[in-house]
Amino acid sequence: NAGVTQTPKFRILKIGQSMTLQCAQDMNHNYMYWYRQDPGMGLKLIYYSVGAGITDKGEVPNGYNVSRSTTEDFPLRLELAAPSQTSVYFCASSYSTVNPEFFGPGTRLTVL
Amino acid sequence: ELKVEQNPLFLSMQEGKNYTIYCNYSTTSDRLYWYRQDPGKSLESLFVLLSNGAVKQEGRLMASLDTKARLSTLHITAAVHDLSATYFCAVAYNTNAGKSTFGDGTTLTVKP
Repeated sequence: NAGVTQTPKFRILKIGQSMTLQCAQDMNHNYMYWYRQDPGMGLKLIYYSVGAGITDKGEVPNGYNVSRSTTEDFPLRLELAAPSQTSVYFCASSYSTVNPEFFGPGTRLTVL
Repeated sequence: ELKVEQNPLFLSMQEGKNYTIYCNYSTTSDRLYWYRQDPGKSLESLFVLLSNGAVKQEGRLMASLDTKARLSTLHITAAVHDLSATYFCAVAYNTNAGKSTFGDGTTLTVKP
């Protein structure tokens, strides 16, 4: 099992550009999550999904969109990037609702 | 709004010593999770505490949960250098979706 994979690892965007952060898991988990981690802080939930076709907002969804067309993939879309979106983004998955258990390696995004 | 506070935020300790990290939270919850993050790395799930009085131990780390006091502790016994990392607690606020609020983390440095 590859676990949770994320691409790219690093990205620099200009203000106003858009991009998609990719996340995939091969554990057949229904629950998937997107978090952002700002320096020196804990993780904040952006969006989550409880299964294919079902997504919902977390604590900080503004400026982001997600889709979940398959169990395996959960991409995060940034539209009109802003400097406030400079952060490290983590995708996570879990089998149950108990807690996000498996985390991807993260994507470090800088918006200039 | 659920607030989660960890203290201390930074902890420097010598090998062989014992210490406790505290995680306080502001509203009722009976689920709490502990994670470890090494510098520049992703998060690793350490403990899942699902009820009042729950205690879990793994090696030199022991976590407990007191839901009445809204407090969890992570106790470190006879610290070793390999335990140097940032430790996060996360408190569930929507168990149907696996949603939780993270603390800001405690950065532990164990010195020889």
